[in-house]
Amino acid sequence: TQLLEQSPQFLSIQEGENLTVYCNSSSVFSSLQWYRQEPGEGPVLLVTVVTGGEVKKLKRLTFQFGDARKDSSLHITAAQTGDTGLYLCAGERNTGKLIFGQGTTLQVKP
Amino acid sequence: SQTIHQWPATLVQPVGSPLSLECTVEGTSNPNLYWYRQAAGRGLQLLFYSVGIGQISSEVPQNLSASRPQDRQFILSSKKLLLSDSGFYLCAWRDHGLASGRDLAKNIQYFGAGTRLSVL
Repeated sequence: TQLLEQSPQFLSIQEGENLTVYCNSSSVFSSLQWYRQEPGEGPVLLVTVVTGGEVKKLKRLTFQFGDARKDSSLHITAAQTGDTGLYLCAGERNTGKLIFGQGTTLQVKP
Repeated sequence: SQTIHQWPATLVQPVGSPLSLECTVEGTSNPNLYWYRQAAGRGLQLLFYSVGIGQISSEVPQNLSASRPQDRQFILSSKKLLLSDSGFYLCAWRDHGLASGRDLAKNIQYFGAGTRLSVL
């Protein structure tokens, strides 16, 4: 059973376009993390959100945690080719273990 | 600062051969340690986690085992590899215990660079 549904699975856009990635669950999470992963490397943490309704910005990336702490979104403004990679959301339910979404492969074309 | 090392980076093994992947963490003590497997372009599946020396929890039944002989060493093993064991294996660590309230952001896992295992 997949507790964290991430969509879309694949996204191919032109440089300069905007995009949003979603993570949805029927379960409440104590915190939710977003990672970015390059091929052949481990995931690197982008942000952690812990409060319902929280919005965090990291340059052109905006992360939002749903009011009920069941869902989250990642919005990228004016995508660049350097944003290409695999984006992963992961939720924690205060058990010490992360539940990962299926991942979103983003390709930004010049 | 804390660092995590995983090796080897790439491994090609025949079916039926043994496996030993090693992960070590530096700069922290008594970390929680994790082994994940990742299919290409997909999310991570938790295989094992450990909260202390000799303490291993298995998340999914499989052909693999894990051991923690030292505080900051986590080993993933198999006696006989199967074709289905091929994949990208990631080790991760986090601080021991569970933070709460505003400290929840401390419950962050840090990942190694991964091992690409091909079983032929």
